[in-house]
Amino acid sequence: DTGVSQDPRHKITKRGQNVTFRCDPISEHNRLYWYRQTLGQGPEFLTYFQNEAQLEKSRLLSDRFSAERPKGSFSTLEIQRTEQGDSAMYLCASSLGGRASGIWDEQFFGPGTRLTVL
Amino acid sequence: AQRVTQPEKLLSVFKGAPVELKCNYSYSGSPELFWYVQYSRQRLQLLLRHISRESIKGFTADLNKGETSFHLKKPFAQEEDSAMYYCALTYRASKIIFGSGTRLSIRP
Repeated sequence: DTGVSQDPRHKITKRGQNVTFRCDPISEHNRLYWYRQTLGQGPEFLTYFQNEAQLEKSRLLSDRFSAERPKGSFSTLEIQRTEQGDSAMYLCASSLGGRASGIWDEQFFGPGTRLTVL
Repeated sequence: AQRVTQPEKLLSVFKGAPVELKCNYSYSGSPELFWYVQYSRQRLQLLLRHISRESIKGFTADLNKGETSFHLKKPFAQEEDSAMYYCALTYRASKIIFGSGTRLSIRP
């Protein structure tokens, strides 16, 4: 499967614990995005990387959330001191990147990681 | 603020009937509008974008800037069209703003 992969697919944790999710983008894609989707809602943007640089962060990304893409390939999203409100599907997407700024390029989504905080 | 509104959470139509999924947006500039689809147990995927003006799987969507709408239409629904549909916009080459989605159910 050459699409975006995410690990784990499901995570159940207790309130207060830290969790880390991994996303492996399509190999030649230089842009990587994280979204969060709660029940009955569409995905909400969290953050975006171009290569290893984190270029944008949503206000939804509180201090407890941190994302990295150290070598410009895979990315991790860590949530510290999880709260029940963090329960959601966390989606990763990647894209090839436009040749000029402002050019939209198709984002390809992974299967998501479903987090349940008890 | 930029926003995408899909007023219907669920739309149920009979096979062969026309389909229209409504989408309205708020953005003062010139956004790019899309429809994404998620079939059961599959990933979210792009269905169509307004710039390409294509018909994908029989679906079309016309951007109406006056009414700030981007409704998705298909003249004759098929059972395989049953899925979750998200209207979305982007105004720069990064984040996508999604609507809350409409579940389309096609009855045989």
